[in-house]
Amino acid sequence: DQQVKQNSPSLSVQEGRISILNCDYTNSMFDYFLWYKKYPAEGPTFLISISSIKDKNEDGRFTVFLNKSAKHLSLHIVPSQPGDSAVYFCAAPNAGGTSYGKLTFGQGTILTVHP
Amino acid sequence: KAGVTQTPRYLIKTRGQQVTLSCSPISGHRSVSWYQQTPGQGLQFLFEYFSETQRNKGNFPGRFSGRQFSNSRSEMNVSTLELGDSALYLCASSPGGGGKGSGNEQFFGPGTRLTVL
Repeated sequence: DQQVKQNSPSLSVQEGRISILNCDYTNSMFDYFLWYKKYPAEGPTFLISISSIKDKNEDGRFTVFLNKSAKHLSLHIVPSQPGDSAVYFCAAPNAGGTSYGKLTFGQGTILTVHP
Repeated sequence: KAGVTQTPRYLIKTRGQQVTLSCSPISGHRSVSWYQQTPGQGLQFLFEYFSETQRNKGNFPGRFSGRQFSNSRSEMNVSTLELGDSALYLCASSPGGGGKGSGNEQFFGPGTRLTVL
């Protein structure tokens, strides 16, 4: 049972345009979400997070939107840069109470930004 | 501050052998979590240690075990290796282990690439 899903395995955009990466979840007990970026041969790097009490969180070029009724979140990157090319994962800490260090990850989306 | 370090970075073993991987968390972080990444299954949670105690465990067989030392460094062990254990093993540390809330995110090491022949 995949509780966090990223249905688009890949996304290709032009430099300077917007990249939109999507993530759906099934467990309504999830109340916090994170996005990580991963380059080959490196571990995931934390990008941005959002609590379920918010519907939007911004950090520079990165904005995450949360639609609780649809159990959907998205990461917007504006403007996209070639250095943003990586695998992006959405993740949620263990549902309910203290999460005790367990993240449930989506399958990842490979973003390619063309110059 | 130094990041999360993992040793070794690459490892080749044969079926039936056992292996021990090491993780040094960011200074001051008391929680260490381990994940397995494979092309087919993605990133899967193995277990989490906090103050030398296992607090949470994923759905992996008993061949996978771990421990944490008083300095928060952690090791994971896989016994009786199988071909399917070939994967990237990632360690992540955080101050309190929750992953929730600003300042409590998990920070990942570069991983150990294990190949089982």
